[in-house]
Amino acid sequence: ETGVTQSPTHLIKTRGQQVTLRCSSQSGHNTVSWYQQALGQGPQFIFQYYREEENGRGNFPPRFSGLQFPNYSSELNVNALELDDSALYLCASTPGRVGTEAFFGQGTRLTVV
Amino acid sequence: LAKTTQPISMDSYEGQEVNITCSHNNIATNDYITWYQQFPSQGPRFIIQGYKTKVTNEVASLFIPADRKSSTLSLPRVSLSDTAVYYCLVGDSQAGTALIFGKGTTLSVSS
Repeated sequence: ETGVTQSPTHLIKTRGQQVTLRCSSQSGHNTVSWYQQALGQGPQFIFQYYREEENGRGNFPPRFSGLQFPNYSSELNVNALELDDSALYLCASTPGRVGTEAFFGQGTRLTVV
Repeated sequence: LAKTTQPISMDSYEGQEVNITCSHNNIATNDYITWYQQFPSQGPRFIIQGYKTKVTNEVASLFIPADRKSSTLSLPRVSLSDTAVYYCLVGDSQAGTALIFGKGTTLSVSS
């Protein structure tokens, strides 16, 4: 158990809909990153939030957006869902902006139909 | 960012030692080598990190030669529960926390 919790664990949405995924970071961690993992692939970095501000972004379109709250929990929002958005979405927290030891949640399995 | 190359899959039997080698020919001076383990439908889990020579913890050992162009993750006496995907990552730990994952090595342990 890493102390990082994500909700929901599974979700089914229809193409064109919007979805919000949630993550509670490990106690004491002020940085949260989001990853998308398609079947058979490694996780792909979406973006990172540090003290409520976006602090880096991967190669994902603007319809992927996020928030970080004062308690360092975070949300990932995806608008206009496409079939290819079906994936495991992972949240990872770290104690600061730097460091390569991240603590991952169990993920949210999103299926777009 | 240094690219890594590792075998797609490996098979082993319970009780054997497993060595997974990762190539990273373009590793930079400030880069560290980090390994993660991932079970199906779970998030990756940090295993070990090193810069040079040998690092050992309660889970694994990491061997890094002097030229640092490769590294080997060693899992002693594997069990069925070590069946997982293992990712080798190379990056500057002081440059941010965005992790760049490849496809990893799927290790299958049989009895």
